[in-house]
Amino acid sequence: DAGITQSPRHKVTETGTPVTLRCHQTENHRYMYWYRQDPGHGLRLIHYSYGVKDTDKGEVSDGYSVSRSKTEDFLLTLESATSSQTSVYFCAITIGVGVTGELFFGEGSRLTVL
Amino acid sequence: GENVEQHPSTLSVQEGDSAVIKCTYSDSASNYFPWYKQELGKRPQLIIDIRSNVGEKKDQRIAVTLNKTAKHFSLHITETQPEDSAVYFCAASISGGVGGGSQGNLIFGKGTKLSVKP
Repeated sequence: DAGITQSPRHKVTETGTPVTLRCHQTENHRYMYWYRQDPGHGLRLIHYSYGVKDTDKGEVSDGYSVSRSKTEDFLLTLESATSSQTSVYFCAITIGVGVTGELFFGEGSRLTVL
Repeated sequence: GENVEQHPSTLSVQEGDSAVIKCTYSDSASNYFPWYKQELGKRPQLIIDIRSNVGEKKDQRIAVTLNKTAKHFSLHITETQPEDSAVYFCAASISGGVGGGSQGNLIFGKGTKLSVKP
């Protein structure tokens, strides 16, 4: 499983509350990503990181922030959750080197905002 | 930025038939095109990829073709089996782009739900 885990795997919360999702990896991969998956929209990139404290926005970053204070952890925070952020969130890492790198996904975190 | 269109959104075939899924992309600088398979309730998993210096790539019953001039690429599955039933996603990126490691920041199509009927 490339040593990548997400937590929590399932969460139900209320509108306006803060939520943090955690992605943890054990193999010292440099690149980490957060995607969200919604029916009819496929997978959309929220934020990504290319090293400790190095992050940048993806396609759908509004309402989300990220932090990476250690190589192994990439946190996704919803400062004030909204119903439109109900989704399945996938963390991903790049495995392999050079031109053979592959995007490998975690098992996903299902978030429901009521 | 890059935009990836994927068709059809649903596809139903009989076991043993072939299935073809097509994607178009907008950024001519894109040079890496992977395909991911996602079974129900599971994570997306890479099944095959192609780079712009190659026109076709095969792996057993799966093949991908790329037409850079027309900016489209396709996934071909031959002799389909019930276990091929899943959602398939195409994606495109600029390999080596900022922040993306070796494959850049992938932009995904919206997916094709393939159903293989026994």
